[in-house]
Amino acid sequence: EPEVTQTPSHQVTQMGQEVILRCVPISNHLYFYWYRQILGQKVEFLVSFYNNEISEKSEIFDDQFSVERPDGSNFTLKIRSTKLEDSAMYFCASTIQGNTEAFFGQGTRLTVV
Amino acid sequence: GENVEQHPSTLSVQEGDSAVIKCTYSDSASNYFPWYKQELGKGPQLIIDIRSNVGEKKDQRIAVTLNKTAKHFSLHITETQPEDSAVYFCAASDNTDKLIFGTGTRLQVFP
Repeated sequence: EPEVTQTPSHQVTQMGQEVILRCVPISNHLYFYWYRQILGQKVEFLVSFYNNEISEKSEIFDDQFSVERPDGSNFTLKIRSTKLEDSAMYFCASTIQGNTEAFFGQGTRLTVV
Repeated sequence: GENVEQHPSTLSVQEGDSAVIKCTYSDSASNYFPWYKQELGKGPQLIIDIRSNVGEKKDQRIAVTLNKTAKHFSLHITETQPEDSAVYFCAASDNTDKLIFGTGTRLQVFP
């Protein structure tokens, strides 16, 4: 069964450092998303991406965040200068078209120290 | 924007009993309501979904009901098994594609 894969599974970084979280969505999917989940809390939408541009972003997705699809398979989330409160599980998801089943990756646990 | 409330936050049932989780949403424009199961250390996995033109949907032991007028939808799991133990999230989506999640329900099924 096709799946969304994310790397790394766990990333520890110092406050102020840049991190890049990587995702390989399902190959025939066209819509890509990043969500985050702070420990013990609900999953929160960060950004959606379609046709090589951001479709929508939440208030959480400020100027420190950016997304990119550098080639035909990868989808990345960059946090320029990490803060302690960025510590969370980050999930990548993809859908074949809008408003349909979203497939989630296993997540990257980001710990900012 | 959309806000999704979910109850209860924890639910413990005996194996074989039924479990019901309820969600309410605020935005009448929402038209897609998926339910996700999240096991420890894994990403959310879709278990069932319903669209606003349907009142009920069933898939084996799992069913979802939707009341558009009252803006609430529910997940029903019958004949629960220990492997049903997980955190369950409801979500709502309008035509903007993003999912707004509820706060989650930790379901424990005791043998």
